[in-house]
Amino acid sequence: EAQVTQNPRYLITVTGKKLTVTCSQNMNHEYMSWYRQDPGLGLRQIYYSMNVEVTDKGDVPEGYKVSRKEKRNFPLILESPSPNQTSLYFCASSLWAGPQETQYFGPGTRLLVL
Amino acid sequence: DAKTTQPPSMDCAEGRAANLPCNHSTISGNEYVYWYRQIHSQGPQYIIHGLKNNETNEMASLIITEDRKSSTLILPHATLRDTAVYYCIVRVALEDSSYKLIFGSGTRLLVRP
Repeated sequence: EAQVTQNPRYLITVTGKKLTVTCSQNMNHEYMSWYRQDPGLGLRQIYYSMNVEVTDKGDVPEGYKVSRKEKRNFPLILESPSPNQTSLYFCASSLWAGPQETQYFGPGTRLLVL
Repeated sequence: DAKTTQPPSMDCAEGRAANLPCNHSTISGNEYVYWYRQIHSQGPQYIIHGLKNNETNEMASLIITEDRKSSTLILPHATLRDTAVYYCIVRVALEDSSYKLIFGSGTRLLVRP
């Protein structure tokens, strides 16, 4: 089944403890992206990647890192999480960055930083 | 900033058509209109997209005005499972040839039994 998977789905952590949220897609997509969703602010893009070894900042990249060593994986790294990074995170992918490409979203990761 | 404006909430009766409006008066000529929906806190699900012409697929129809300043998503026979937040999105091209989906606040659609 074609899908985007994220792990973990739920995570509670403490301020400053490094964490990684994994994202994987099995559709051979070139384009991948991370979003966060907060009440009243909608979905905002954190980082995106147009292909392996190519990543760029989105609208809210502060406090996050990403890497794209393989086409299928696009992990989101929080080196020193803070409470304002408590949010619902979504990974998404599309075949490429063309004008009519559809983004497929993962199930989401709910993060609580204490 | 979102480039779209949608009513915060709507409701319709099960089995009837649901017509969800969207204003995108500042849309540029090469920017597509996309519709996604989000059920509870699940990942957004693609519904349909269009540029100038009306579009239809197995889920919905998209009607875009001739001046492209507004559009309407039509769910022809709404079911209880269509209860969700519906996002009208303008797909913005970036300088590096990639793109960005700008999500607004969406319309919360409640389908009544």
